[in-house]
Amino acid sequence: DVKVTQSSRYLVKRTGEKVFLECVQDMDHENMFWYRQDPGLGLRLIYFSYDVKMKEKGDIPEGYSVSREKKERFSLILESASTNQTSMYLCASSLLQGWGTEAFFGQGTRLTVV
Amino acid sequence: GESVGLHLPTLSVQEGDNSIINCAYSNSASDYFIWYKQESGKGPQFIIDIRSNMDKRQGQRVTVLLNKTVKHLSLQIAATQPGDSAVYFCAETLNTGNQFYFGTGTSLTVIP
Repeated sequence: DVKVTQSSRYLVKRTGEKVFLECVQDMDHENMFWYRQDPGLGLRLIYFSYDVKMKEKGDIPEGYSVSREKKERFSLILESASTNQTSMYLCASSLLQGWGTEAFFGQGTRLTVV
Repeated sequence: GESVGLHLPTLSVQEGDNSIINCAYSNSASDYFIWYKQESGKGPQFIIDIRSNMDKRQGQRVTVLLNKTVKHLSLQIAATQPGDSAVYFCAETLNTGNQFYFGTGTSLTVIP
């Protein structure tokens, strides 16, 4: 089975802290994604990466950065956490493109910024 | 960005009845569609997919219908069970692309 693992299920951080969310996938997928999920807003794409050291902005990249030093790992960084970044964060991975390339999700990290 | 929406944010059905969850998409070029199920406290899980060259695809107790003319997607769940209670998302993408666009989700509650 494809496994996408996020390092933490729950995190509580203080305003202004630098926060790292880690994601690892074990299926040699080229694409990796970070979404945030908020009630009534669905999944919104923050950043995605289609190759090592490559990254593309999604719909809401402000306040976030990412790092992809290895194919299996994609990190989301909150440079200076703010309360409006309290959310559920979901990592996903998929093959590069083509039929049957659905996204596989991790279990999510619920981040609370106080 | 793309606009993928669901007609109803919540749906309640009696156990044993059939459920129908609807989704509208806006990009007529989208050619691959996926339904996800998200249980409380978990990440979304793949249920079924369909390509744009198909109108219907069946899985185990689930059927996806695609109407490209009106850009509409539906998920039918037969004999709905309590374990089907979850939020259901549709997603669209391009076969040649590598981004997914998700709807806001429909919360399905199964009444025993």
